[in-house]
Amino acid sequence: QVQLVESGGGVVQPGRSLRLSCAASEFTFSNYGMLWVRQAPGKGLEWVAVISNDGSKKYYADSVKGRFTISRDNSKNTLYLQMNSLRAEDTAVYYCATSTLPHDALDIWGQGTMVTVSS
Amino acid sequence: EIVLTQSPATLSLSPGERATLSCRASQSVSSYLAWYQQKPGQAPRLLIYDASNRATGIPARFSGSGSGTDFTLTISSLEPEDFAVYYCQQRTDWPLTFGGGTKVEIK
Repeated sequence: QVQLVESGGGVVQPGRSLRLSCAASEFTFSNYGMLWVRQAPGKGLEWVAVISNDGSKKYYADSVKGRFTISRDNSKNTLYLQMNSLRAEDTAVYYCATSTLPHDALDIWGQGTMVTVSS
Repeated sequence: EIVLTQSPATLSLSPGERATLSCRASQSVSSYLAWYQQKPGQAPRLLIYDASNRATGIPARFSGSGSGTDFTLTISSLEPEDFAVYYCQQRTDWPLTFGGGTKVEIK
């Protein structure tokens, strides 16, 4: 069935880097923009970054601008999030998601991958 | 940035009761509002899009209404599996934003 599967999370020290991946299956990945959304422990949802279907347009939340980079490889049906200069406040579950519906209602989500930034 | 304010923060109800959740936007989002349900340890699940359209597979007891700045999610008769946290979300303009959530708990 339609699926997104994240990987790459873990424990990392402040200032270090981590790359998350999100593998898509059973839908035409190259047709859809993709997003990363995160959720700090016990907190609400925060949009992080979005990339257009062809990778030509990218937008970032102010909280990660200049530190995180979103990218995609349509030949591999995979979305990425390169996270540099990580901070304690980046600790969260990171979800990839997409919308096949109008106005970016996110109808497909991955299960999430946990990133913990701690010394 | 459009700020979404959800109320109440917590709603304590019994199974079978009606739940009414509110989401207010800091400026008009037209009808471009979605609602999600999230259970512990799970990803959010889309319930409603464009303010009043149920997503695929969502039971009819869930309904959404509103436009402009004021929106409501109604659960007509709570089932045991409906106790969860609910979020609203808009994408009238970037950044995409979420409300702070309403927790529906068992009374």
